[in-house]
This record gives sequence, structure tokens and C-alpha cells, in this order.
Amino acid sequence: SQTIHQWPATLVQPVGSPLSLECTVEGTSNPNLYWYRQAAGRGLQLLFYSVGIGQISSEVPQNLSASRPQDRQFILSSKKLLLSDSGFYLCAWSVHKAGEAFFGQGTRLTVV
Amino acid sequence: GDSVTQMEGPVTLSEEAFLTINCTYTATGYPSLFWYVQYPGEGLQLLLKATKADDKGSNKGFEATYRKETTSFHLEKGSVQVSDSAVYFCALQGAQKLVFGQGTRLTINP
Repeated sequence: SQTIHQWPATLVQPVGSPLSLECTVEGTSNPNLYWYRQAAGRGLQLLFYSVGIGQISSEVPQNLSASRPQDRQFILSSKKLLLSDSGFYLCAWSVHKAGEAFFGQGTRLTVV
Repeated sequence: GDSVTQMEGPVTLSEEAFLTINCTYTATGYPSLFWYVQYPGEGLQLLLKATKADDKGSNKGFEATYRKETTSFHLEKGSVQVSDSAVYFCALQGAQKLVFGQGTRLTINP
């Protein structure tokens, strides 16, 4: 069966520090991969999506970047965190256009 | 680009009331449409979906019909229960990306 792993679950980082959040998928090949941010009381903002290794599309100009070094690995990074980067980050995958998307458990990032 | 606009919440209803949460979309081509639900303290899970015009998705008493002419996918339930309290997200899957609406928080009072 397919599973998605996202870590860490909680992270507190100082302003100006780097960030690396990792997401891995098991049990499927060539998935579409997504990073979303869910701010408190707000919806899901699509940050990045990827349809294949090394293929990254950015939705919103910001302080973050994403990479897909392997088929089932998706990494969200920042060189220097800002206070406004605080939020709940969700990784998700889907197989094809009409398929269901599956979400990781999320990472709650607090920048202090 | 692709986008989804949802009815703003929060929505508060009494048990057994009729529910409608409006959702409209903008997309190129022929997207698939979804409703996801996030129960308190849990992750997102698929509630229902429709992949082409005039399709009706249904699950747990909820229904939504893919209306191409009005670019809408409104969520309805005839009689809500306290256990339906959650945040509901409308979403569309285009050629590549999955885009969500802002979410609607629903609270059902006994």
C-alpha cells in the first residue's frame, strides 16, 4: 500500500536560520508531488508542485524553494527563514489527474 | 490560472438542517473536481469527487454535481449531524496541479 512520510512534525527555528523539510512516498511510481502551506484559519496555499524528477513549478514568489532529487522524495528548503514563514506545511501526492490526493501529517513550523 | 472560490465561513447550523457550501472554479480544459474534509485534529481526506461534466459525487450523505455551464461544484447535505463539524475544502485537479479553495469551517450544534 502507498504511504507518505513527512518530517519533522514540529519545528521551532530562529529567524535567519535554514530550513529543510522532507517528504517521501512509498508504494507508487512517478507521483505528482505537492507542498502546501496552511496558515491559521486560512486555506491551503499551493507552494510548489512537481510532475517528475528535477521538475519543480513554483506558484508563489517567496523565501522558499523545493527540490525533487529522487522520484519519491520532495524537499522544501529555505536559506534564511523569515517570521512570515511560520505555518503548517503539508506534503501531498497523487497519481493521475482524476485520482485522490493523499496528504502527510504536516509540519508545524514556528519561526521565532 | 486555475483557481477555486469557496463560500466564506464560518457556517453554523443546527442538527438536521440543510447544508449548502458554494464552490466555483476557473480552469483551462476539463479539470476534475473534489471536496476534501478536515476533521478537528486530523489531516485532509477525500470526501467525494467528479471527473466530468454532469457527474455527481456522493459520500456520507453529501453530494455535489459538476456543473460546467456555471463552473460550480456546490456541496449539499439534506440533514447535517454534529459529527459533520469540520473544515471543508473544494479543489480542482487540472492538467498538472491540484488547487484548493480557502476552506469553509462548518459547526453543527445539537
